[in-house]
Amino acid sequence: ETGVTQSPTHLIKTRGQQVTLRCSSQSGHNTVSWYQQALGQGPQFIFQYYREEENGRGNFPPRFSGLQFPNYSFELNVNALELDDSDLYLCASSGITRFGANVLTFGAGSRLTVL
Amino acid sequence: GDSVTQMEGPVTLSEEAFLTINCTYTATGYPSLFWYVQYPGEGLQLLLKATKADDKGSNKGFEATYRKETTSFHLEKGSVQVSDSAVYFCALSEESGANSKLTFGKGITLSVRP
Repeated sequence: ETGVTQSPTHLIKTRGQQVTLRCSSQSGHNTVSWYQQALGQGPQFIFQYYREEENGRGNFPPRFSGLQFPNYSFELNVNALELDDSDLYLCASSGITRFGANVLTFGAGSRLTVL
Repeated sequence: GDSVTQMEGPVTLSEEAFLTINCTYTATGYPSLFWYVQYPGEGLQLLLKATKADDKGSNKGFEATYRKETTSFHLEKGSVQVSDSAVYFCALSEESGANSKLTFGKGITLSVRP
């Protein structure tokens, strides 16, 4: 039942470059979180945005940043890419689902490879 | 800090077998507990949740009971199907409202043979 769309699905970058990942959520879902998922591991919380402002951050450096736009679209930007940034990046929006309010709905993810 | 521990995998079962996937947690407060499932090539999907002690979450034949005394939230299904083959993640959230950060376990891969 996911209403979260992410792009691109796969991309390859070089160490030191910058990358922008995009996410669109369902109308009315004003809170978006980003997670990083390493192979064989559970997702790790990067940060959350609410009403276009960062509202909570995990153990990630400032070179990970985000933008939230009024049309329920969001960006994750990563500067100065490192090899260890090669992972699956998940976008999740928070809203009302059949499980109740404030439930996270995840997109399929963007797989980033840094060479 | 908060943490979630899942049993080591992978798990391989025959169709119609009974499934138990163990999950225990460490939290400072009274978290909400979740099971998410990730099918190949798809995003994480919420399978079930429980928000307070002794609550039982259930969906698609799966169920899990929030056990505060043992800090556990084990996932069970009486008769698995091939279509249940996926990666299962246990997770918790200590926050409520619009601020809902999830802490995930490592996940476990379930393969069901016909």
